[in-house]
Amino acid sequence: GQQLNQSPQSMFIQEGEDVSMNCTSSSIFNTWLWYKQEPGEGPVLLIALYKAGELTSNGRLTAQFGITRKDSFLNISASIPSDVGIYFCAGLRDGGATNKLIFGTGTLLAVQP
Amino acid sequence: GAVVSQHPSRVICKSGTSVKIECRSLDFQATTMFWYRQFPKQSLMLMATSNEGSKATYEQGVEKDKFLINHASLTLSTLTVTSAHPEDSSFYICSARRGRTGETQYFGPGTRLLVL
Repeated sequence: GQQLNQSPQSMFIQEGEDVSMNCTSSSIFNTWLWYKQEPGEGPVLLIALYKAGELTSNGRLTAQFGITRKDSFLNISASIPSDVGIYFCAGLRDGGATNKLIFGTGTLLAVQP
Repeated sequence: GAVVSQHPSRVICKSGTSVKIECRSLDFQATTMFWYRQFPKQSLMLMATSNEGSKATYEQGVEKDKFLINHASLTLSTLTVTSAHPEDSSFYICSARRGRTGETQYFGPGTRLLVL
């Protein structure tokens, strides 16, 4: 099935550093979502973006919906050890009751105290 | 908040047996649930969309006779892996949609299946 491309694939940073990751697609999405998954758990929604150009924050997290509607970015400021996990973007294309999420390839984040 | 549970959390079975995984929305009704499969260090791949009271819609390449889905009530969907083989070993995650728009999907904690 289709996947969205995320980069970087993994990041190993020191506590306190800022983090940036992005997600790109060859096709347009109407909604972009960012999830965090910890080992052995299901994904948890962090931020949802509904409009091209939109910039939305959730605490230390900020995400943007690209103007072309083919990409999105997630930034984490002042990282802490509990930020460790895999971050997935997901795109939602169709309208109506049959919406399906297309997930990105994921970015593994490791934070050293 | 919206809570989705899965049972069992882990299961080990012998090759050739069938395994049933349950997905429940605990505090809301979900007309639509989704089943995903995730291999180690990979992303979530949608297997099928489960609609209450009707047949599931399977993604391309997913065998409907092998992965039986039943969504008999607004709070329960089940995935049965029939005649399991070692290559079916994976992390199976369900989600339940609250409302009509796709972003209101709440994910379960996942079920780790190991087929020996």
